Amino acid sequence: DAKTTQPNSMESNEEEPVHLPCNHSTISGTDYIHWYRQLPSQGPEYVIHGLTSNVNNRMASLAIAEDRKSSTLILHRATLRDAAVYYCILRLTGGGNKLTFGTGTQLKVEL
Amino acid sequence: KAGVTQTPRYLIKTRGQQVTLSCSPISGHRSVSWYQQTPGQGLQFLFEYFSETQRNKGNFPGRFSGRQFSNSRSEMNVSTLELGDSALYLCASSRLGGEDTQYFGPGTRLTVL
Repeated sequence: DAKTTQPNSMESNEEEPVHLPCNHSTISGTDYIHWYRQLPSQGPEYVIHGLTSNVNNRMASLAIAEDRKSSTLILHRATLRDAAVYYCILRLTGGGNKLTFGTGTQLKVEL
Repeated sequence: KAGVTQTPRYLIKTRGQQVTLSCSPISGHRSVSWYQQTPGQGLQFLFEYFSETQRNKGNFPGRFSGRQFSNSRSEMNVSTLELGDSALYLCASSRLGGEDTQYFGPGTRLTVL
């Protein structure tokens, strides 16, 4: 599986936007970029995914670089509830159900 | 719609014992995957079951096994427990597997003494 690199931790203030970066320089043309997050004492939760174009949903936006070697998860207005570990995962089309998690980014949100 | 449920939520065993964990997927979901989460190794894929058949397997010893029933419920078994098996075991379900979004349960916290 192609590898992703994320910062170990980031901090944000409540009500401010948060940009969580992910580098995936070895991404292949058929790899989808998925983001999951894990809140304390819970299982991971799907956030968003995309292939080439930027994507938006009710939780977040995903901005994908033109060369697809990096992407950014955008939380438009961070709340205390968004404090979690965020995982950027590459999924190969036809690669089955397996998710390969990295170490993720621990997001801290302060008042 | 009820989410993924896992039982028990907490479990304490001693070395050499065996343990069975249970997972009930979201209604209508046919794929169930299992993951192990430890502070040292992070989240690692164990295996996936679809329609009662193991479809994908991670890199774990044969002491780790699983099965899926006709109602899509799944069990995971670990035999001859070792201290290093202490972990959070997570179950995830998806409608058909493949690229479908996975929905995770809260996990079973296993402690091996």
